[in-house]
Amino acid sequence: DIQMTQSPSTLSASVGDRVTITCRASQSIGPWLAWYQQRPGKAPNLLIYKASFLESGVPSRFSGSGSGTEFTLTISSLQPDDFATYYCQQYDTYAGTFGPGTKLDIK
Amino acid sequence: EVRVVESGGGLVQPGRSLRLSCTGSGFTFGENTLAWFRQAPGKGLEWVGFIKSKTYGEATQYAAAVKDRFSLSRDDSKNFVYLQMNGLKIEDTAVYYCARTLRSPNLGGSWGQGTLVTVSS
Repeated sequence: DIQMTQSPSTLSASVGDRVTITCRASQSIGPWLAWYQQRPGKAPNLLIYKASFLESGVPSRFSGSGSGTEFTLTISSLQPDDFATYYCQQYDTYAGTFGPGTKLDIK
Repeated sequence: EVRVVESGGGLVQPGRSLRLSCTGSGFTFGENTLAWFRQAPGKGLEWVGFIKSKTYGEATQYAAAVKDRFSLSRDDSKNFVYLQMNGLKIEDTAVYYCARTLRSPNLGGSWGQGTLVTVSS
């Protein structure tokens, strides 16, 4: 199975900050990487697919990049709603494995 | 508006069975692949399996951790997908989410609110 890692595991930031989360795959997955946001007690919400494509309705302050084994999610200017946990998921294989998550909290 | 709703969770003893249901509205249910994911308390997300549409033979795939114990079926006349869980283990305790997939059979596009399954004696 493809293993996914994320860094950092937690990130403290302030409203207006620019933040970047990194996701790495144990082997090449091409562009087949998605990012989700999950607020406490809520279902995940798809933000980005195919590494850099913004899902409909997602604010443009979110962006993704990367291919192969290294990917990043960037939030250009943090808003209060953005403090949540972020997961990457590879979907190159049927077993669409997730990263362990990055918790973004308020500094 | 796309809406997905899970039901059927609850407390069950190890070794017993439980069936979860998933219904959807706001999209052509029968033309879509539905996937299940789960999240153990305080833990991350895990893909469980998916069932494709009738066009694709209602093909299914399962995670290794649940293969041979869990099975998916669908009744498009009622807009339901079912996750039959047999031989439940304590480690199956989780919130189970159903999702309408987009662009790939394991890419969760629209998620339900989840249903909690607790396996305990």
